[in-house]
Amino acid sequence: NAGVTQTPKFQVLKTGQSMTLQCAQDMNHEYMSWYRQDPGMGLRLIHYSVGAGITDQGEVPNGYNVSRSTTEDFPLRLLSAAPSQTSVYFCASRRTSGSKVLTDTQYFGPGTRLTVL
Amino acid sequence: LAKTTQPISMDSYEGQEVNITCSHNNIATNDYITWYQQFPSQGPRFIIQGYKTKVTNEVASLFIPADRKSSTLSLPRVSLSDTAVYYCLVGDKDTGRRALTFGSGTRLQVQP
Repeated sequence: NAGVTQTPKFQVLKTGQSMTLQCAQDMNHEYMSWYRQDPGMGLRLIHYSVGAGITDQGEVPNGYNVSRSTTEDFPLRLLSAAPSQTSVYFCASRRTSGSKVLTDTQYFGPGTRLTVL
Repeated sequence: LAKTTQPISMDSYEGQEVNITCSHNNIATNDYITWYQQFPSQGPRFIIQGYKTKVTNEVASLFIPADRKSSTLSLPRVSLSDTAVYYCLVGDKDTGRRALTFGSGTRLQVQP
């Protein structure tokens, strides 16, 4: 298994440009999420999905869109990039237990380092 | 939406035991407590997970009191390679969503 893969690894955008960060997992995980991590800071949840066709907002969703048409893929779209979106973006996935108790072992991708000029 | 509180940083020396405590007053009944480790320029990596009492694996131990409002990650005999940021993770009870919110993390610096 490749685990969680993210492309590109690095990206430079100009203010106002749009782009899509790709995330894919081959573990058949129901749950996928996107985080951003600013320098010296913790991870903040942007959007997440508990299954194909279902998405929800996290802590910092403004300026980002997501969709989940398949179990494997969870792309993150920046509609109009702003310098405040300069960050490292991590995608993660986990299996959701069918039992009442939720287990939470997330697998993270290697990250995409985005700079917006 | 912050749901966990951890010390911002800790210092230790090689060979010592390190204990990092996380406060999570709003933990949901069905939530597990999970700890992750993150090295610079890498995504977080799972360390240990527990629900209550004590859990131990080859890397660490996790102590959770009966009220589950806090947890303590214990790293035995740390080495320089344990220098990293450690996060504890619990679910989001207040909104009813199963969002997974990271705390601020604890930056552990291990000295020779």
